[in-house]
Amino acid sequence: DAGVIQSPRHEVTEMGQEVTLRCKPISGHDYLFWYRQTMMRGLELLIYFNNNVPIDDSGMPEDRFSAKMPNASFSTLKIQPSEPRDSAVYFCASSFFAREYQETQYFGPGTRLLVL
Amino acid sequence: GENVEQHPSTLSVQEGDSAVIKCTYSDSASNYFPWYKQELGKRPQLIIDIRSNVGEKKDQRIAVTLNKTAKHFSLHITETQPEDSAVYFCAASIPLDGSDMRFGAGTRLTVKP
Repeated sequence: DAGVIQSPRHEVTEMGQEVTLRCKPISGHDYLFWYRQTMMRGLELLIYFNNNVPIDDSGMPEDRFSAKMPNASFSTLKIQPSEPRDSAVYFCASSFFAREYQETQYFGPGTRLLVL
Repeated sequence: GENVEQHPSTLSVQEGDSAVIKCTYSDSASNYFPWYKQELGKRPQLIIDIRSNVGEKKDQRIAVTLNKTAKHFSLHITETQPEDSAVYFCAASIPLDGSDMRFGAGTRLTVKP
């Protein structure tokens, strides 16, 4: 398996532009997570999906952020309009839930976003 | 919700010495505790994990201990090597809801040759 795939790996954009980040989870995983990592705030959970359904989006900073998972193999995180404070590394992770235990989350390589 | 605290935030050791990183969690329902290593510019990668039905787990130079009563768990790295230098994150997960994994703030470990 190729692991969790994210694209693009790097994104530089100007303030006000729309940014779309993409993620392909590991095949067979039924949970997908979006995280944001910054020096100041560390790893923050933004939103997670179970079987393509958003379960908890309480970590989404504001209405400019939205996430979708149209099918089991694809998810997007969209920022519109983008702002300089959105600059961060965005990680996607996936896992599966077996019996009563949460299984390991596997992280993608991340998208390094810079908003000028 | 769960709250995870991690100490120290930075740790510098001499090559060959041991390193210990400690985490505490708040929700006694948490039952899964992974540790991730993140090298500069790379993704967090799982290095070891422990579930609440065991108190200790070892994998070569790495070990994790769990004290459920005190709600703390620790990562122990023995015979440290320069390639162990990275940021280490602990996390705690609550069962059954499938996902509520909270990460500590991270510890930057530097192993000096």
